[in-house]
Parts: sequence; C-alpha cells; structure tokens
Amino acid sequence: QKEVEQNSGPLSVPEGAIASLNCTYSDRGSQSFFWYRQYSGKSPELIMSIYSNGDKEDGRFTAQLNKASQYVSLLIRDSQPSDSATYLCAVGNNDMRFGAGTRLTVKP
Amino acid sequence: DGGITQSPKYLFRKEGQNVTLSCEQNLNHDAMYWYRQDPGQGLRLIYYSQIVNDFQKGDIAEGYSVSREKKESFPLTVTSAQKNPTAFYLCASSEPSTNYGYTFGSGTRLTVV
Repeated sequence: QKEVEQNSGPLSVPEGAIASLNCTYSDRGSQSFFWYRQYSGKSPELIMSIYSNGDKEDGRFTAQLNKASQYVSLLIRDSQPSDSATYLCAVGNNDMRFGAGTRLTVKP
Repeated sequence: DGGITQSPKYLFRKEGQNVTLSCEQNLNHDAMYWYRQDPGQGLRLIYYSQIVNDFQKGDIAEGYSVSREKKESFPLTVTSAQKNPTAFYLCASSEPSTNYGYTFGSGTRLTVV
C-alpha cells in the first residue's frame, strides 16, 4: 500500500515566524505532490503543487521536493493566525494518497 | 460557477440501513473520487472513477458501492455491511490530463444513530 507520513503535530509558531511542515512517501515512482489546507469542519483546499526536485515558491508558501529522499516539505513564511489549520500532504495523481495531516497553530 | 456539490451536508443512518451520498460536478472533469476522513486521520480512498461506466476500488472499498452512469455524477452508497460508517465523506474530481490536483466538494458528515 502506498503510504504518506506526516508529523501529526500540533505545531505551534508565533505570528510572523516560519512554519515548517514535513512529509515522506513510500512510492518511489510518484511524480505529483500536493499540499492542501483544511480548516476545521471544512473540505481541503489546494495551496501548492510540485512535480520536480527543488523549491517552488508562491507568495508566502514554498514547497520543497527531494525525490531521492522521498521527502516533501512546505514552508510558510510570515505566519499569520489565519494560517492556523491542518495541512495535508498528498502524493499521486489518479489515485492520490493523503497523509494524516499536521495541525498548525499560529499564535498572535 | 463551476464546482462540486455534495448533498446532504449532514446525514443520519440507522443500524442496518443503506444510505446514498450524492456528488455532482460541473467542471467537466473526467475523474471523480470518494474519500473518507475520520477524526485526527487523513483521507482514505474508497472508490475512484476515471471514465463513465468504469470505477476502481480504493483502499477501503468494503461496505461501499458506487456508480458512474453520467460524467457529472458519482453517488456513493454506504451499505449495512459497513460496520463503522460514522465519518466525514469527501467527493473530489480532477482532469487527469492536466495534473492540477483535485477539487473537493464541501463534504457529507454521516452519523449512525
């Protein structure tokens, strides 16, 4: 079974700090990687996708991918209280697998 | 506006009952998916369909059934064989050729009473 592992947290950072979220995956053939944000009681929303080794930046978010180490990360710069949510790592395309999520709390 | 509509938002099931969750999309996506989410856990794949009249089992298909008679619709039936159906059910769709990730509906929260 394809597995995606995340630290469940909770992760707490002060407002303005950098939040770092990590994810590992088991299927070495995976080509597509995504980060979703899920607020309590709501459905996930896509915030980042990455397909090649290296970094991809979008505003305050940076996704990092290392296929050799089977590792994906998400950095959130200048964290805001509105970033408080559960962040889900997802791997794959036609049958995407999700990690259990990391709960992030940004304290004012 | 394009999107995915799940209904109902809340559903209560008695022991031994079958219930059907609705999922409709107007995004013209070929692929549709059903996931289950339990508290503190990630999403687990129940069934997925990449084309009309075809679908595949995911990791936890036992006790569930689906149909894909129309491109826009992918209903999920939770049968009485599913022993622990209380969960948050999420439907998603995607266009596999674009690899843009999934779009999710707002979910159905199912509770056994």
